[in-house]
Amino acid sequence: EVQLVESGGGLVEPGGSLRLSCAASGFTFSNYWMHWVRQAPGKGLVWVSRIKGDGSNSTYADSVKGRITISRDNAKNTLYLRMDSLRAEDTAVYYCARDYFDRSGYYPCGYWGQGTLVTVSS
Amino acid sequence: NFMLTQPHSVSESSGKTVTISCTRSSGSIASTYVQWYQQRPGSAPTTVIFEDNQRPSGVPDRFSGSIDSSSNSASLTISGLKTEDEADYYCQSYDSNSVVFGGGTKLTVL
Repeated sequence: EVQLVESGGGLVEPGGSLRLSCAASGFTFSNYWMHWVRQAPGKGLVWVSRIKGDGSNSTYADSVKGRITISRDNAKNTLYLRMDSLRAEDTAVYYCARDYFDRSGYYPCGYWGQGTLVTVSS
Repeated sequence: NFMLTQPHSVSESSGKTVTISCTRSSGSIASTYVQWYQQRPGSAPTTVIFEDNQRPSGVPDRFSGSIDSSSNSASLTISGLKTEDEADYYCQSYDSNSVVFGGGTKLTVL
């Protein structure tokens, strides 16, 4: 069973930094692209970033470029999101998600964790 | 990059059929597959349709998806509405550099 468990959220002051983690289990982690998606309180889903299975390629939403870094440690089956220069508008639940890929098809973000809340406030 | 536009909310009576649209702003709706997610309050999203019209195992056949190239849009149709279908629904698609979600549609079952 695919399991994704996020951690590392919390209260941080504007301008601060935070690193989120997503522990993966139940599949061969290095075989899959992984994503971060966020959802501000009462708002919709917004894709943030993705990283290839071997870590060789990553892309970001324009809104977070330069402030957010996605990475992964395949030996630890863990995905990370480093967030710097945090702003109030970064307040959101951050979900990690895995691509769905098997003989029946492919699409991004087929499996989701339960999310971790990041609150940026003084 | 492109955007996906959904109606903010829809409502329909129990037992009826509702359709939620998702319009792509640029590029063909058929160029990459469209997915649909259901999200209930306090929970992570779950997939109800993938690759335009495929249902994951466990999703009832009351849920169906389609695309219309003439309007450059995708649609999620839910028939025989049940109170348990009340939720937020998001369309999603992607290109070579990014993943795009629609703004979400709140479905109210009357």
